[in-house]
Amino acid sequence: EAGVTQFPSHSVIEKGQTVTLRCDPISGHDNLYWYRRVMGKEIKFLLHFVKESKQDESGMPNNRFLAERTGGTYSTLKVQPAELEDSGVYFCASSQHLINSPLHFGNGTRLTVT
Amino acid sequence: GEDVEQSLFLSVREGDSSVINCTYTDSSSTYLYWYKQEPGAGLQLLTYIFSNMDMKQDQRLTVLLNKKDKHLSLRIADTQTGDSAIYFCAEMDSGTYKYIFGTGTRLKVLA
Repeated sequence: EAGVTQFPSHSVIEKGQTVTLRCDPISGHDNLYWYRRVMGKEIKFLLHFVKESKQDESGMPNNRFLAERTGGTYSTLKVQPAELEDSGVYFCASSQHLINSPLHFGNGTRLTVT
Repeated sequence: GEDVEQSLFLSVREGDSSVINCTYTDSSSTYLYWYKQEPGAGLQLLTYIFSNMDMKQDQRLTVLLNKKDKHLSLRIADTQTGDSAIYFCAEMDSGTYKYIFGTGTRLKVLA
């Protein structure tokens, strides 16, 4: 089966610009998660979709971040306008079930805001 | 809030055993996980342990769980250069089903 894919793999943008990250989960996985790792720090939870619904968005830093998962398939994470502190690696993960089901991660998108 | 802590670096010689340690705070965690991240790749699930277990062995990997001290460790026997990677400890919050990750431990294996 195809794994979790993320696009782009790298993005370099200027402060104030907009960037949209995309994640295609494994087919049939209802649960989709976004995480972020800032250089050298822990991987922090951003939000969790179950199908197209936001189950938990408690980790979203502020209203400059908008995540969507229309139709319950792929998801996008938009940052508008980007700030320097948004730089990091954004990981997407999916799982088939809520529990007893491991997370499958994509390779991440490395975002650099200059 | 929940917190997972790990040391940042570990260096071992090829053939030796590696032990990566992790402490967590949420005593209600149902599962605890170890993930491996190789350069340029995503996180790959290595192994996991259910909270009512003390130990789990899987080939070269041994996971030890001390629930009283909220301490989790991953032992890699006969460490190889291919084991060089970042290892993340994670717990699953049984209330929110959120995974909480540590900072990751960068393991460097010296030939």
